[in-house]
Amino acid sequence: EVQLVESGGGLVQPGRSLKLSCAASGFTFSNYYMAWVRQAPKKGLEWVATISTSGSRTYYPDSVKGRFTISRDNAKSSLYLQMNSLKSEDTATYYCARHDPPDYWGQGVMVTVSS
Amino acid sequence: DIQLTQSPSTLPASLGERVTISCRASQSISNSLNWYQQKPDGTVKRLIYSTSTLESGVPSRFSGSGSGTDYSLSISSLESEDFAMYYCLQYATYPLTFGSGTKLEIK
Repeated sequence: EVQLVESGGGLVQPGRSLKLSCAASGFTFSNYYMAWVRQAPKKGLEWVATISTSGSRTYYPDSVKGRFTISRDNAKSSLYLQMNSLKSEDTATYYCARHDPPDYWGQGVMVTVSS
Repeated sequence: DIQLTQSPSTLPASLGERVTISCRASQSISNSLNWYQQKPDGTVKRLIYSTSTLESGVPSRFSGSGSGTDYSLSISSLESEDFAMYYCLQYATYPLTFGSGTKLEIK
């Protein structure tokens, strides 16, 4: 069974950094592109980042480019999202997702950016 | 960026009814479209991929169709567990973009 479990969320001040993690199991992690998708409170879904199987290629929308960095550790079956220079508009539930476009999704982790 | 216009935003419907949700792209996306269901607890599930292929385990009352810029998700006979949010997603080009969502609610 595919499982994706996010962690690392919480309350952070504007301008600060936070790193999210996603532990994957139930499939061969190194064979899949991985992605992060977020959802602001009461809003729709927004794609945040994608990483290739080896990690050599990454993709971002303009809204986070230069501030967020997606990475992975295939030996640990783990996906990460380093978020820098956080803004209030980054407040959202962040979902880890397998594949691009996503097939399986995690349960999400909440990030609140507020002073 | 490719914009997806999803309609309606809210869809009141009754058990057993057939419903259709529309997703229109700002340019051709060559069938590169998925449909997702999100339950109130936040759980997201892929229903349809590549426009019309049903995800394994998804009931056959769900179906997808479309081409070019116009796509749709249909549910043939609503059951109680179908009342949820639905989103389309295009993956023809980056950035991946989602429709704004349709809330399927009990009439």
